[in-house]
Amino acid sequence: GAGVSQSPRYKVAKRGQDVALRCDPISGHVSLFWYQQALGQGPEFLTYFQNEAQLDKSGLPSDRFFAERPEGSVSTLKIQRTQQEDSAVYLCASSLSSSSYEQYFGPGTRLTVT
Amino acid sequence: QKEVEQDPGPLSVPEGAIVSLNCTYSNSAFQYFMWYRQYSRKGPELLMYTYSSGNKEDGRFTAQVDKSSKYISLFIRDSQPSDSATYLCAMSAGGLTDSWGKLQFGAGTQVVVTP
Repeated sequence: GAGVSQSPRYKVAKRGQDVALRCDPISGHVSLFWYQQALGQGPEFLTYFQNEAQLDKSGLPSDRFFAERPEGSVSTLKIQRTQQEDSAVYLCASSLSSSSYEQYFGPGTRLTVT
Repeated sequence: QKEVEQDPGPLSVPEGAIVSLNCTYSNSAFQYFMWYRQYSRKGPELLMYTYSSGNKEDGRFTAQVDKSSKYISLFIRDSQPSDSATYLCAMSAGGLTDSWGKLQFGAGTQVVVTP
Protein backbone atom coordinates (compact mmCIF):
# COMPACT_ATOMS: atom_id res chain seq x y z
CA GLY A 1 0.00 0.00 0.00
CA ALA A 2 0.97 3.63 -0.24
CA GLY A 3 3.27 4.99 2.41
CA VAL A 4 3.71 8.57 3.55
CA SER A 5 4.34 10.86 0.63
CA GLN A 6 5.79 14.35 0.64
CA SER A 7 6.00 17.02 -2.01
CA PRO A 8 7.99 18.59 -3.40
CA ARG A 9 10.99 16.31 -2.84
CA TYR A 10 13.38 19.20 -3.44
CA LYS A 11 12.79 22.92 -3.06
CA VAL A 12 15.19 25.79 -3.67
CA ALA A 13 14.04 29.14 -2.31
CA LYS A 14 15.65 32.55 -2.32
CA ARG A 15 16.09 34.09 1.10
CA GLY A 16 12.91 35.90 2.06
CA GLN A 17 10.55 33.74 0.00
CA ASP A 18 7.68 31.79 1.51
CA VAL A 19 7.49 28.02 1.00
CA ALA A 20 4.82 25.38 1.57
CA LEU A 21 5.67 21.71 2.11
CA ARG A 22 3.00 19.04 1.81
CA CYS A 23 2.58 15.73 3.60
CA ASP A 24 0.12 12.97 2.68
CA PRO A 25 0.03 10.51 5.58
CA ILE A 26 -1.01 6.89 5.37
CA SER A 27 -4.78 6.75 5.02
CA GLY A 28 -6.52 6.44 8.38
CA HIS A 29 -3.52 7.42 10.47
CA VAL A 30 -4.58 9.64 13.35
CA SER A 31 -1.26 11.13 14.38
CA LEU A 32 1.04 13.22 12.21
CA PHE A 33 4.45 14.62 13.08
CA TRP A 34 6.82 17.06 11.42
CA TYR A 35 10.58 16.85 12.02
CA GLN A 36 13.52 18.91 10.76
CA GLN A 37 16.77 17.09 9.94
CA ALA A 38 19.94 19.13 9.45
CA LEU A 39 22.85 17.60 7.56
CA GLY A 40 24.60 14.95 9.66
CA GLN A 41 22.07 15.23 12.50
CA GLY A 42 19.09 13.28 13.71
CA PRO A 43 15.55 14.54 13.15
CA GLU A 44 14.37 17.27 15.52
CA PHE A 45 10.69 17.40 16.50
CA LEU A 46 8.74 20.39 15.19
CA THR A 47 5.03 19.76 15.76
CA TYR A 48 2.36 17.09 16.30
CA PHE A 49 -1.26 16.69 15.19
CA GLN A 50 -3.91 14.32 16.42
CA ASN A 51 -6.50 14.38 13.65
CA GLU A 52 -6.95 18.09 12.86
CA ALA A 53 -5.87 19.32 16.32
CA GLN A 54 -2.34 20.63 16.70
CA LEU A 55 -1.50 19.35 20.17
CA ASP A 56 2.17 20.30 20.37
CA LYS A 57 4.06 22.97 18.45
CA SER A 58 6.87 23.37 20.95
CA GLY A 59 9.57 22.49 18.41
CA LEU A 60 8.73 25.15 15.83
CA PRO A 61 11.88 27.33 15.77
CA SER A 62 10.15 30.68 15.23
CA ASP A 63 6.83 32.28 14.40
CA ARG A 64 7.84 32.08 10.73
CA PHE A 65 6.94 28.39 10.88
CA PHE A 66 3.31 27.38 10.69
CA ALA A 67 1.66 23.99 10.23
CA GLU A 68 -1.90 22.95 9.59
CA ARG A 69 -3.98 19.81 9.03
CA PRO A 70 -7.46 21.22 8.47
CA GLU A 71 -9.33 18.00 7.63
CA GLY A 72 -7.27 15.59 9.67
CA SER A 73 -5.44 14.07 6.72
CA VAL A 74 -3.08 16.10 4.50
CA SER A 75 -0.80 18.51 6.35
CA THR A 76 1.12 21.55 5.17
CA LEU A 77 4.19 23.08 6.79
CA LYS A 78 4.66 26.70 5.78
CA ILE A 79 7.79 28.72 6.30
CA GLN A 80 7.55 32.47 5.80
CA ARG A 81 10.47 34.73 4.89
CA THR A 82 12.90 31.82 4.61
CA GLN A 83 16.40 32.20 6.03
CA GLN A 84 19.57 30.25 5.23
CA GLU A 85 19.38 28.45 8.57
CA ASP A 86 16.07 26.94 7.45
CA SER A 87 17.95 24.77 4.93
CA ALA A 88 17.33 21.18 6.01
CA VAL A 89 15.31 18.07 5.20
CA TYR A 90 11.76 18.30 6.51
CA LEU A 91 10.34 14.91 7.41
CA CYS A 92 6.74 14.00 7.97
CA ALA A 93 5.68 10.89 9.90
CA SER A 94 2.30 9.36 10.68
CA SER A 95 1.12 6.73 13.10
CA LEU A 96 -2.08 4.76 13.32
CA SER A 97 -3.24 5.91 16.73
CA SER A 98 -2.42 8.49 19.35
CA SER A 99 -0.76 5.83 21.52
CA SER A 100 1.25 4.06 18.83
CA TYR A 101 5.03 4.45 18.74
CA GLU A 102 5.37 3.02 15.26
CA GLN A 103 5.88 6.14 13.17
CA TYR A 104 6.10 5.76 9.41
CA PHE A 105 8.27 8.40 7.81
CA GLY A 106 8.02 9.95 4.37
CA PRO A 107 11.10 10.53 2.19
CA GLY A 108 11.34 14.17 3.23
CA THR A 109 11.54 17.49 1.43
CA ARG A 110 15.05 18.88 1.03
CA LEU A 111 14.85 22.67 1.33
CA THR A 112 17.78 24.79 0.24
CA VAL A 113 17.64 28.52 0.91
CA THR A 114 20.07 30.57 -1.17
CA GLN B 1 24.54 19.16 26.01
CA LYS B 2 22.02 17.12 24.02
CA GLU B 3 19.60 14.79 25.78
CA VAL B 4 20.61 11.90 23.51
CA GLU B 5 24.24 11.28 22.54
CA GLN B 6 25.31 8.99 19.70
CA ASP B 7 28.72 8.54 18.09
CA PRO B 8 28.42 9.63 14.43
CA GLY B 9 31.01 7.12 13.16
CA PRO B 10 31.59 6.08 10.46
CA LEU B 11 31.76 2.50 11.69
CA SER B 12 33.27 0.15 9.13
CA VAL B 13 32.97 -3.63 9.53
CA PRO B 14 33.61 -6.61 7.22
CA GLU B 15 30.66 -8.62 5.96
CA GLY B 16 29.55 -11.22 8.50
CA ALA B 17 30.82 -9.31 11.55
CA ILE B 18 28.67 -8.10 14.43
CA VAL B 19 27.79 -4.41 14.36
CA SER B 20 27.55 -2.82 17.81
CA LEU B 21 25.83 0.55 18.19
CA ASN B 22 24.93 2.53 21.29
CA CYS B 23 23.41 5.71 22.66
CA THR B 24 23.48 7.41 26.03
CA TYR B 25 20.84 9.75 27.37
CA SER B 26 20.34 12.11 30.26
CA ASN B 27 16.54 12.31 30.69
CA SER B 28 15.44 9.69 33.23
CA ALA B 29 11.80 10.14 32.08
CA PHE B 30 12.49 8.30 28.81
CA GLN B 31 10.62 4.98 28.81
CA TYR B 32 10.30 4.06 25.14
CA PHE B 33 13.38 3.32 23.07
CA MET B 34 13.62 2.82 19.32
CA TRP B 35 16.18 2.19 16.64
CA TYR B 36 15.66 3.49 13.11
CA ARG B 37 17.61 2.79 9.93
CA GLN B 38 17.99 5.56 7.37
CA TYR B 39 19.34 5.02 3.88
CA SER B 40 20.74 7.98 1.99
CA ARG B 41 17.99 10.40 0.84
CA LYS B 42 15.26 8.27 2.43
CA GLY B 43 13.13 8.64 5.53
CA PRO B 44 13.93 6.72 8.73
CA GLU B 45 12.52 3.19 9.00
CA LEU B 46 11.67 1.66 12.39
CA LEU B 47 13.79 -1.42 13.19
CA MET B 48 13.27 -2.13 16.89
CA TYR B 49 11.09 -0.82 19.70
CA THR B 50 11.62 -1.53 23.41
CA TYR B 51 9.71 -0.40 26.47
CA SER B 52 11.71 0.19 29.66
CA SER B 53 14.74 -1.99 30.47
CA GLY B 54 15.58 -5.35 28.98
CA ASN B 55 16.51 -7.12 25.77
CA LYS B 56 14.56 -7.70 22.58
CA GLU B 57 15.54 -9.85 19.65
CA ASP B 58 14.18 -9.82 16.11
CA GLY B 59 16.02 -11.89 13.53
CA ARG B 60 19.57 -10.59 13.22
CA PHE B 61 18.82 -7.56 15.44
CA THR B 62 19.07 -7.36 19.25
CA ALA B 63 18.19 -4.24 21.22
CA GLN B 64 19.23 -3.74 24.84
CA VAL B 65 18.16 -1.06 27.29
CA ASP B 66 19.86 -0.36 30.62
CA LYS B 67 17.86 2.40 32.29
CA SER B 68 20.09 2.42 35.39
CA SER B 69 23.05 3.42 33.21
CA LYS B 70 20.93 5.43 30.73
CA TYR B 71 22.47 3.39 27.92
CA ILE B 72 20.92 1.57 24.96
CA SER B 73 22.50 -0.72 22.38
CA LEU B 74 21.70 -2.31 19.04
CA PHE B 75 23.55 -5.37 17.76
CA ILE B 76 23.37 -6.59 14.16
CA ARG B 77 24.58 -10.16 13.65
CA ASP B 78 25.92 -11.56 10.37
CA SER B 79 26.08 -8.07 8.85
CA GLN B 80 25.47 -7.66 5.12
CA PRO B 81 26.46 -4.88 2.69
CA SER B 82 22.74 -4.03 2.52
CA ASP B 83 22.96 -3.08 6.22
CA SER B 84 25.12 -0.09 5.24
CA ALA B 85 23.08 2.91 6.39
CA THR B 86 22.78 5.44 9.19
CA TYR B 87 21.30 4.06 12.40
CA LEU B 88 19.40 6.45 14.62
CA CYS B 89 18.39 5.84 18.21
CA ALA B 90 15.22 7.56 19.39
CA MET B 91 13.41 7.76 22.69
CA SER B 92 10.30 9.18 24.30
CA ALA B 93 8.90 9.90 27.73
CA GLY B 94 5.54 8.61 26.55
CA GLY B 95 3.22 11.33 27.69
CA LEU B 96 4.76 11.87 31.12
CA THR B 97 6.55 15.07 30.20
CA ASP B 98 6.04 15.33 26.45
CA SER B 99 3.48 14.65 23.78
CA TRP B 100 2.82 10.97 23.33
CA GLY B 101 4.99 9.78 20.47
CA LYS B 102 7.24 12.87 20.38
CA LEU B 103 10.67 11.38 19.70
CA GLN B 104 14.12 12.63 20.68
CA PHE B 105 16.72 11.31 18.22
CA GLY B 106 20.44 10.80 18.44
CA ALA B 107 22.62 12.21 15.67
CA GLY B 108 22.90 8.80 13.98
CA THR B 109 25.83 6.46 13.40
CA GLN B 110 26.91 5.77 9.81
CA VAL B 111 27.64 2.07 9.29
CA VAL B 112 29.56 0.68 6.31
CA VAL B 113 29.65 -3.10 5.78
CA THR B 114 32.36 -4.03 3.32
CA PRO B 115 32.08 -7.20 1.19
